[in-house]
This record gives sequence, C-alpha cells and structure tokens, in this order.
Amino acid sequence: QSALTQPASVSGSPGQSITISCTGTSNDVGGYNYVSWYQQHPGKAPKLMIYEVSNRPSGVSNRFSGSKSGNTASLTISGLQAEDEADYYCSSYRGTSTLGIFGGGTKLTVL
Amino acid sequence: EVQLVESGGGFVQPGGSLRLSCEASGFSISSYWMAWVRQAPGKGLEWVANINQDGSEKNYVDSVKGRFTISRDNAKNSLYLQMNSLRAEDTAVYYCAKDHGYDTFWDWGQGTLVTVSS
Repeated sequence: QSALTQPASVSGSPGQSITISCTGTSNDVGGYNYVSWYQQHPGKAPKLMIYEVSNRPSGVSNRFSGSKSGNTASLTISGLQAEDEADYYCSSYRGTSTLGIFGGGTKLTVL
Repeated sequence: EVQLVESGGGFVQPGGSLRLSCEASGFSISSYWMAWVRQAPGKGLEWVANINQDGSEKNYVDSVKGRFTISRDNAKNSLYLQMNSLRAEDTAVYYCAKDHGYDTFWDWGQGTLVTVSS
C-alpha cells in the first residue's frame, strides 16, 4: 500500500461545506484512532488541522472537523472561506516499528 | 516557541551524497520521536524515516533503505539525514518534523530542497 486514498480535488463556494474522504485498511485507518489531517498552502510547510481523528489543535478554527467510520476517515470544512483553499493530506499511524502513511492529497478549490 | 530549521539541501549529481541537518529550538528533541518527510515537486507528502528518542530505533521507507541514514544528537538538539547514492527520484523538499506521538506532527520545519540531476 503506497498511500491512503483521497479524492484528487474537491470544490465549494464560500459559506458551503465540503468533506474530504481518506480510505485505508484495517492496518491503518481502521485499526487505530490516530488519523491526522494537514493543510498545506503553496510553498509552505504542512499545518496540523486535526489529530486523533477528531481533535483540533489550539488555534484551529472549529469550522474544521474530523470523523471516522471503519476504514475511512473524513475531514469536513464548514462555512468555506477563501483562505481554506489549499491542499489537504490525511495521515494514519500503522503501529510500532513501521512508518505511518499519508494520503495522496486533495486540492480544495474555493469557487 | 518551537522552531525547526533545516539546512544542507542543494544540487547534486546522481550517485552523490548530501547531509541534511535540522536544528530545533524551543523544546528538547530528546523527549520526542523525530522524522523526515519529503515532497517531490508537485507531488504529495511521503515519509522518509523516523528515529526514537535515544536513536536506538529507526524506520525507513523502502525506497531509501540502505542509502539514507537518520541520526540525532540530543546534546546539540539536532536531527540529521545522511543521503548517499542519490537518485533523480530523491528530488524533493525535505521537511524535519516533531512527532507528538503516533506519527502526528504538530511542528514542521520550513523544508530544504534537494535536487538530484546531471
């Protein structure tokens, strides 16, 4: 398995909500509650937006929320704003003595 | 304030070597797993390697095993990545990241670009 599966792109209008899915297996997303989501603007380092499936670090807007069902995790952004336009990556823990795994990334366009 | 500052990137010919450094400030790396993550131009994030607090455990992505070595110097609060036998496909921005547990990166460096080309 080379990467978790994310849609290549999603789009929405300002004020709308969008959801980005992240599908893995029982060896990663489905097996642990350690799914993270990162936001990356062009030319910038990734920024942690969600950790442990649904927790937000201090300072991250409550418009961002995460969930998981089975082998699929989801990131929902409500009340879309222009500044949310970025690439989003999911990531999952896969256990000890092995590296984690990232999703392929999703480009969010705010129309 | 937590800061991670990478250095050592640059242009190298295939088969060459580079050593990346990551200097941490605002916290002691001795308490954390640390990792290198890379991003090829226009591509997604990819794990490269991670290392535990005392350097006794290291993990690598298959594509760099036997060529890259991750190491740390807790006294210097620094992380390193020795890259040998570099290939064109190693061209990427390399990020240093602090693992808060279970492969969750709360802090990232700004990245250093490695370009492998003849």
